[in-house]
Amino acid sequence: DAKTTQPTSMDCAEGRAANLPCNHSTISGNEYVYWYRQIHSQGPQYIIHGLKNNETNEMASLIITEDRKSSTLILPHATLRDTAVYYCIVRFNQAGTALIFGKGTTLSVSS
Amino acid sequence: GAVVSQHPSWVICKSGTSVKIECRSLDFQATTMFWYRQFPKQSLMLMATSNEGSKATYEQGVEKDKFLINHASLTLSTLTVTSAHPEDSSFYICSAESFRGGTDTQYFGPGTRLTVL
Repeated sequence: DAKTTQPTSMDCAEGRAANLPCNHSTISGNEYVYWYRQIHSQGPQYIIHGLKNNETNEMASLIITEDRKSSTLILPHATLRDTAVYYCIVRFNQAGTALIFGKGTTLSVSS
Repeated sequence: GAVVSQHPSWVICKSGTSVKIECRSLDFQATTMFWYRQFPKQSLMLMATSNEGSKATYEQGVEKDKFLINHASLTLSTLTVTSAHPEDSSFYICSAESFRGGTDTQYFGPGTRLTVL
């Protein structure tokens, strides 16, 4: 799988938008971008995924650049409960393909 | 939807004993489930891929005779840590694969914290 690069940590004020970047410059045409987060001592939580179009759901928005070499996860109004480690993962859309986790970005939301 | 449960959520056992961890997909069927472990302040490490009705595929460095995986149904996979030792103490997390809307998405259980004394 293609590797991703994420900042180690980010801070965000409560109520503001949190924009988490991810670089995946070696992504191939049939690899999707997935975002998960892990709150301390819990299993990872699925957030969103996309191929090339921007995606939005009730949790977040995913913006993928036109060349697909990078993406940004946007939490529109961060709350204290959004404090977590956020993982950006690229993965082939093929059944049975595991997610390979990097180190992720630790997002700290403060009041 | 897409809920995955694990049992137990935590377990403490003596060195040399075996521990079984269950992973269930509650509202969907999963042909494939995955097992990960996570040491403190580290990321998740894939241990094995479990397919219903067939033998699990283990990642390099994971002892298949020590970590027994059984995926007997489309909603249940089990991980048995045999002859556990203190170095096996870790956070074990499973995920189940759901096929929706043309793509596969993995949903994770809450994890099982194993402490071996």
